[in-house]
Amino acid sequence: DAGVIQSPRHEVTEMGQEVTLRCKPISGHDYLFWYRQTMMRGLELLIYFNNNVPIDDSGMPEDRFSAKMPNASFSTLKIQPSEPRDSAVYFCASSPYRGNYGYTFGSGTRLTVV
Amino acid sequence: QKEVEQNSGPLSVPEGAIASLNCTYSDRGSQSFFWYRQYSGKSPELIMSIYSNGDKEDGRFTAQLNKASQYVSLLIRDSQPSDSATYLCAVNSNSGYSTLTFGKGTMLLVSP
Repeated sequence: DAGVIQSPRHEVTEMGQEVTLRCKPISGHDYLFWYRQTMMRGLELLIYFNNNVPIDDSGMPEDRFSAKMPNASFSTLKIQPSEPRDSAVYFCASSPYRGNYGYTFGSGTRLTVV
Repeated sequence: QKEVEQNSGPLSVPEGAIASLNCTYSDRGSQSFFWYRQYSGKSPELIMSIYSNGDKEDGRFTAQLNKASQYVSLLIRDSQPSDSATYLCAVNSNSGYSTLTFGKGTMLLVSP
């Protein structure tokens, strides 16, 4: 299994631009999670899906952030417009269960907004 | 607000020593506990899970859980320089729509 695949690995963009991060979960994993990691706040859950349906988006910082999961093998996290404070590492993770057995993380996308 | 607390470190130990990493959590309903290792610039990697009070050993790693004290620890025996990383504690309450809550991690430095 190739694991959780994220793209791009690095993204540098100018303030105000739209950013789209992509994730392919492990086949058969019904849960997909988007996390953001910063030095100050650590790993924060943004949103998670179960069987392609968004279950909890209470961690999404504001309306500039949106996430979709059109099918079981693909999810996107979009930021529009981007701001410098969005600079962070964004991780996608998947799991066959909501939390009982841990999550498998992708390699992450390092986003820099200048 | 569910919280998971860890000392940020760095925790410095010499090669061959035992490294002890600690974690406390606020939600008494927590049921599942995990330790992740994260090398600099890499993603978190699951290394241990524990679900009941007591010790669980896997190679050089031992996880310890005390639900009454709301305390989880990770012991690394015969520490190696390759163990130098940040160790994240994660807790799941298994209630409602709860998911894993992560601590901010403890940086471990193992010197040769």
